Amino acid sequence: NAGVTQTPKFQVLKTGQSMTLQCAQDMNHNSMYWYRQDPGMGLRLIYYSASEGTTDKGEVPNGYNVSRLNKREFSLRLESAAPSQTSVYFCASSEFRGLGSPLHFGNGTRLTVT
Amino acid sequence: AQSVTQLDSQVPVFEEAPVELRCNYSSSVSVYLFWYVQYPNQGLQLLLKYLSGSTLVESINGFEAEFNKSQTSFHLRKPSVHISDTAEYFCAVRVNNAGNMLTFGGGTRLMVKP
Repeated sequence: NAGVTQTPKFQVLKTGQSMTLQCAQDMNHNSMYWYRQDPGMGLRLIYYSASEGTTDKGEVPNGYNVSRLNKREFSLRLESAAPSQTSVYFCASSEFRGLGSPLHFGNGTRLTVT
Repeated sequence: AQSVTQLDSQVPVFEEAPVELRCNYSSSVSVYLFWYVQYPNQGLQLLLKYLSGSTLVESINGFEAEFNKSQTSFHLRKPSVHISDTAEYFCAVRVNNAGNMLTFGGGTRLMVKP
């Protein structure tokens, strides 16, 4: 049981380049999330998808777009990367968006924008 | 909007000593509280959670946390730490509102020394 799988694990981009971070979960979870982790700031929510077919902005959505391709997959796209987007990106899923439903995280994608 | 403060960014401690990682939150409504642990180069894993009922909650590996409503705190404690407890620990809060989003603190790096 793989849980939440993210690809790639590492990526270096030049300013202005675009890329898509992929995420897939095999737990039949309804809700999926994208977070970024920066030193001293914890994790901040970029976008989430409460269920298949819906997406909503989180705390820091600017510069990003998402697609909930199907129940399993939730991708994050950077259309024109900026150095401020250098971060570690985590995808997570939960069975529901309910209050007690814990999040299951992938191992992260470390992105550097030069 | 709610916020979560983890007062210590780093906590060095010797093996077999007790430890307390502090977490305070700001919210005037009912909250649901979580502690997550992140080992090096991995995603976050749920350590324990408080939803309702007994204010003292325990994890399977000896950690415990106590919900204190009057002090708006949810400190994490362990009476005797091991080298393997070295990791970063994140406190998180979820509030019963329309967003239901999980807000993370900045993290505390626990460094257990032999």
